[in-house]
Amino acid sequence: DVKVTQSSRYLVKRTGEKVFLECVQDMDHENMFWYRQDPGLGLRLIYFSYDVKMKEKGDIPEGYSVSREKKERFSLILESASTNQTSMYLCATLTGTDTQYFGPGTRLTVL
Amino acid sequence: GEDVEQSLFLSVREGDSSVINCTYTDSSSTYLYWYKQEPGAGLQLLTYIFSNMDMKQDQRLTVLLNKKDKHLSLRIADTQTGDSAIYFCAENKGNTPLVFGKGTRLSVIA
Repeated sequence: DVKVTQSSRYLVKRTGEKVFLECVQDMDHENMFWYRQDPGLGLRLIYFSYDVKMKEKGDIPEGYSVSREKKERFSLILESASTNQTSMYLCATLTGTDTQYFGPGTRLTVL
Repeated sequence: GEDVEQSLFLSVREGDSSVINCTYTDSSSTYLYWYKQEPGAGLQLLTYIFSNMDMKQDQRLTVLLNKKDKHLSLRIADTQTGDSAIYFCAENKGNTPLVFGKGTRLSVIA
């Protein structure tokens, strides 16, 4: 079974803090993704990576950056958290049959 | 407009069948997917259908694909309270990320 884990289920941070969200997968998948999910807006793609040290902007990259130093780990970074970044963050990988598998999500609250 | 469209809400009584509908735009999509998201959790792959199929059945789940109309549906037979969740339709347009609909929130009334 594909396993995608995220470092925290719930996170509370203050405005202006630097925030790291970690995602780890154990299936040697090359492609990894970060989404945010908000009521009424569905899933929105922030960044994705198709290989180590490679990254591509998604639909809403502003205010975020990513890091992919190792194949199994894809980190989402909020350089200076703001209240409008309060959201559910979902990490996913992609199999060879183009099926995406998701982690459990991190619910981030920025105060 | 949206690439993948689905209604936002569906309410059914326990024991009835649920039908969740989705329309997509890219007729060249290879696979089409249904994901389920339970409260507070990530998305779980429920089932998928290859584009050259019309129907796929898996226990209580039936997926119907009408390529001519670009219409995908998910039927859940004998709907249970545990089926209450958000259901996402997604298509593979050949680029790496899947394209997701906004999700249909299924509420099951006991």
